[in-house]
Amino acid sequence: SQQGEEDPQALSIQEGENATMNCSYKTSINNLQWYRQNSGRGLVHLILIRSNEREKHSGRLRVTLDTSKKSSSLLITASRAADTASYFCATDGTGFNKFYFGSGTKLNVKP
Amino acid sequence: GAGVSQSPSNKVTEKGKDVELRCDPISGHTALYWYRQRLGQGLEFLIYFQGNSAPDKSGLPSDRFSAERTGESVSTLTIQRTQQEDSAVYLCASSLRAGTLYNEQFFGPGTRLTVL
Repeated sequence: SQQGEEDPQALSIQEGENATMNCSYKTSINNLQWYRQNSGRGLVHLILIRSNEREKHSGRLRVTLDTSKKSSSLLITASRAADTASYFCATDGTGFNKFYFGSGTKLNVKP
Repeated sequence: GAGVSQSPSNKVTEKGKDVELRCDPISGHTALYWYRQRLGQGLEFLIYFQGNSAPDKSGLPSDRFSAERTGESVSTLTIQRTQQEDSAVYLCASSLRAGTLYNEQFFGPGTRLTVL
């Protein structure tokens, strides 16, 4: 399977703390994307990192990619209660056309 | 502009009945994807449409599942003779153009299917 797998499966932190989620995958990729899902419904795209990039920032989000280890991490700094959601990584393998999603990390930010 | 819309938002059906789920992608998006998400799990790829090319049906779990798309517009996912294990949220997504290289997917709110 080319699916990314997130770790940990669940994470509970206090508001203001940083949250780190990891994603590991099995095959070569063109890019890796992170998505957020609230309440088990539609996903929202957060950030895309290309295979030739090592780090990317977007607001309070920081994503790293290590293609030698086939892993990525998503860091959310100064977390807020509104960040409570499930976070998924999606990889495309080398086929360009399909995304493969992991099972997600469920983040709970306590106020 | 309008996002991806899906209907119905919820569907309850009896085992053995057929259901049709609809997806309206963002206007101008050439690629359309269907996923299935069982409770507490990740997204399972079902089928991918790109313009007028033959769809990639490699994720469809059985021949009870089929999907159609007319040009670059609406898509319908049909499940025949529904089974209880078909109960899940069915998500549709569209993206601007072919390929995942720089594309993000825009997701609809999903259809929650419950098979009794």
